[in-house]
Amino acid sequence: AQSVTQLDSQVPVFEEAPVELRCNYSSSVSVYLFWYVQYPNQGLQLLLKYLSGSTLVKGINGFEAEFNKSQTSFHLRKPSVHISDTAEYFCAVTILTSNAGGTSYGKLTFGQGTILTVHP
Amino acid sequence: EPEVTQTPSHQVTQMGQEVILRCVPISNHLYFYWYRQILGQKVEFLVSFYNNEISEKSEIFDDQFSVERPDGSNFTLKIRSTKLEDSAMYFCASSVWGRQPQHFGDGTRLSIL
Repeated sequence: AQSVTQLDSQVPVFEEAPVELRCNYSSSVSVYLFWYVQYPNQGLQLLLKYLSGSTLVKGINGFEAEFNKSQTSFHLRKPSVHISDTAEYFCAVTILTSNAGGTSYGKLTFGQGTILTVHP
Repeated sequence: EPEVTQTPSHQVTQMGQEVILRCVPISNHLYFYWYRQILGQKVEFLVSFYNNEISEKSEIFDDQFSVERPDGSNFTLKIRSTKLEDSAMYFCASSVWGRQPQHFGDGTRLSIL
């Protein structure tokens, strides 16, 4: 079974400062990794995904993440944050599953979430 | 951009009552999911659904829960006899055929009294 650990429950940061939100995972098989963002009173929005290829992936709103297989990490970074980045961020993993319909991503396993608060 | 829509946004129900949470997945998506998030806890997988049958379910998804795609657009989660511990935010998600990420709705906050 897969598991995800987000090491920081809350990260306060000042506007225009860089930020890193940490995510570590464990799995006995190859995984696919995602970061989702949840703004207040909204659903989960996909920020970025790592499926294969380059270990540095870029997402929306200037975020990027780096997949590190040896350290089983997928940390999220942004070089300069804005007030509007204040939200909760979730790291998630999945594996490929097969059924009669073919091969697809299975269930997502989420981390605990990190609340990013950007102060002026 | 197409969205997953969930209704109602907030549902208040007496313990022991049945509740149905509704979702309209993105129209060309074929895989459907329910997740829940108890206040202060992780988002947890409940069930996945493809081709009119459950493809995977978690330990949480016991006999009190059921899912259905009653027509070509809706995907529902039914809890037959609600318990206090069913109070949570319930998220519906969908994904297109194959290896595409899941898209989430805004959730239904279920409060059991």
